[in-house]
Amino acid sequence: AQSVTQPDIHITVSEGASLELRCNYSYGATPYLFWYVQSPGQGLQLLLKYFSGDTLVQGIKGFEAEFKRSQSSFNLRKPSVHWSDAAEYFCAVGYNYGGSQGNLIFGKGTKLSVKP
Amino acid sequence: DAMVIQNPRYQVTQFGKPVTLSCSQTLNHNVMYWYQQKSSQAPKLLFHYYDKDFNNEADTPDNFQSRRPNTSFCFLDIRSPGLGDAAMYLCATSTASGTVNEQFFGPGTRLTVL
Repeated sequence: AQSVTQPDIHITVSEGASLELRCNYSYGATPYLFWYVQSPGQGLQLLLKYFSGDTLVQGIKGFEAEFKRSQSSFNLRKPSVHWSDAAEYFCAVGYNYGGSQGNLIFGKGTKLSVKP
Repeated sequence: DAMVIQNPRYQVTQFGKPVTLSCSQTLNHNVMYWYQQKSSQAPKLLFHYYDKDFNNEADTPDNFQSRRPNTSFCFLDIRSPGLGDAAMYLCATSTASGTVNEQFFGPGTRLTVL
């Protein structure tokens, strides 16, 4: 069965420092991988996605993620964190449902706090 | 701008009193999803519609029902809310093209059960 693990529940970084959020997945075939961000009381916004091709994926807001098949990982990175990046980050793996639709399984999320 | 809209943003109901949450979309997407997200947890898929075809997750309680009268609208009905149903309810949409596509989320409805 498909699953997603985000080992870090809560991370605090200083503004301007680099960031890496970890994500490991379990999926039998080539995975469809996503990172979403959720600000308090809001819905989820897509940061980036990986379907195939280049394993380093660029997203919005200066985020990037690297797919490593050998490690079953899809870690999210940002070279310099801004205070506005404080939010909850969800990694998700997508799978085909019924041949024409896709469903997502989410990790439990990592809450990011940013120190001034 | 094309978007997913949820109403109301905040809903308070009493234990056992039926409640309906609404979702509409201007994206013209085939697929609409309902997720339940409890505090500090991952969103959990309740069910989804592919056009008019309803797909229920195996562990979704019977207390939760859904209706999709047309492409644009989808409703979540909770027939007899319990205290454990207090959560954020997220609606999402996506296209159906034979692969897994991005899901677009609404802002959510925060449900409180008294």
